[in-house]
Formats: sequence, C-alpha cells, structure tokens
Amino acid sequence: EVQLLESGGGLVQPGGSQRLSCVASGFAFDGYAMTWVRQSPGKGLEWISAISAGGLSAYYADSVRGRFTISRDNSKNTLYLQMNSLRTDDTAVYYCAREPHFWGQGTLVAVSS
Amino acid sequence: DIQMTQSPSSLSASVGDRVTITCRASQSIRSYLNWYQQKPGKAPKLLIYTAFDLQSGVPSRFSGSGSGTEFTLTINNLQPEDFATYYCQQSFSNPRTFGQGTKVEIK
Repeated sequence: EVQLLESGGGLVQPGGSQRLSCVASGFAFDGYAMTWVRQSPGKGLEWISAISAGGLSAYYADSVRGRFTISRDNSKNTLYLQMNSLRTDDTAVYYCAREPHFWGQGTLVAVSS
Repeated sequence: DIQMTQSPSSLSASVGDRVTITCRASQSIRSYLNWYQQKPGKAPKLLIYTAFDLQSGVPSRFSGSGSGTEFTLTINNLQPEDFATYYCQQSFSNPRTFGQGTKVEIK
C-alpha cells in the first residue's frame, strides 16, 4: 500500500523558515517524480513544486520560486520542502503527492506573528 | 503558465441528478487532464486521469471527456457522498496548474 506521511508543519513567524518532510512507503520511491501542493484556508489547490525521480530537475510555481527548495533523499525514501522567507500568505496545508494517484494527508503551516 | 478555468464555481443539485462540470485550458493540453474530488479536511482524491480514465475504485457514475482545451466531468445519478468540491488539473507541463474548483452542494 502506497503511503505518504508529511511532517514538519507548525506555527512560524513571518520571515522565518520551516522544513517539511514526506516519508514514502509502498512503492519504489526512486522511480517517481514527487510534488508539493498546498491549500490555503478556504481556498483552492495550488501546485507549488516538483522534483524528478533522480532529484536532478526541480520545478517551482512563481509564488514560491527563490524562497522554497524541493529536494529528496532516495536512500531514505523522503521528500523535503525547505521554505524560507515565509509570508502570511504561505499559510496553508501542504500536501506531498505522487501525482496524480497518491497524496499524503497534509501538514499545516501557519505563518503568523 | 497554463491557466485552467472551471465552471461553474458552485452548483446546487439533488440526489439522482446528472451534474456536468467544465474545465478549459488556456492552450492545448492534449488529454493531460485530471479530475479530483475533495471533501472538507481531506486530501484530494483522484477520480479521472488523462481526461477519461477512471481511477480504480471510483464508481462508474463518474466520467470524463474532452481533449485539447475543453474538458468535462459528468456525474450521473448524484449520490449523497458526491457532495464535495471538484478540481481539474493539467498535467501537460510544469507548473501543473489546477482549476479554481467547483463546489457541488445539496439543493
């Protein structure tokens, strides 16, 4: 059974940093591209970043490019999202996904002073 | 970036109704279109991928059609558990943009 388990969410001050992790199981992690998608409270889904299976290629939405960095450790079956220079509008539930079929349950990041 | 526009943004329907949601892409995405269902507090659930392929375990009352720039999600014989928000997403190119969502409410 494919499982994706995010962690690392919490309350962070504006301008601060946070690193999210997503541990994958039930499939050959190093064979799949992975994605982060977020959803602000009461809003729709926003695709924010993806990384190739080997980790050599990364893609970002304009809203996070230059502030967020996606990475992966295939030896640990883990996907990461390093978030810097956080803003209040980054407040959201962050989902990792093996698009389009499998999604984690999400982790909430709240940016507030 | 490819823009995805869903319509309507919300609709009211009754159990047993047929519901149609439309998604338009700002440029051709061939058949690289996914449909998701999301309920409050839950992760999105894949319903349809590559425009018309039904995800395993999804009831056959859900169907997808279209190609290029115009796509449709149809729900036949709407059931109580179908009241939710539905999103389209293009998987043709990065960033893999979503539509703004369609909330299906009980009439």
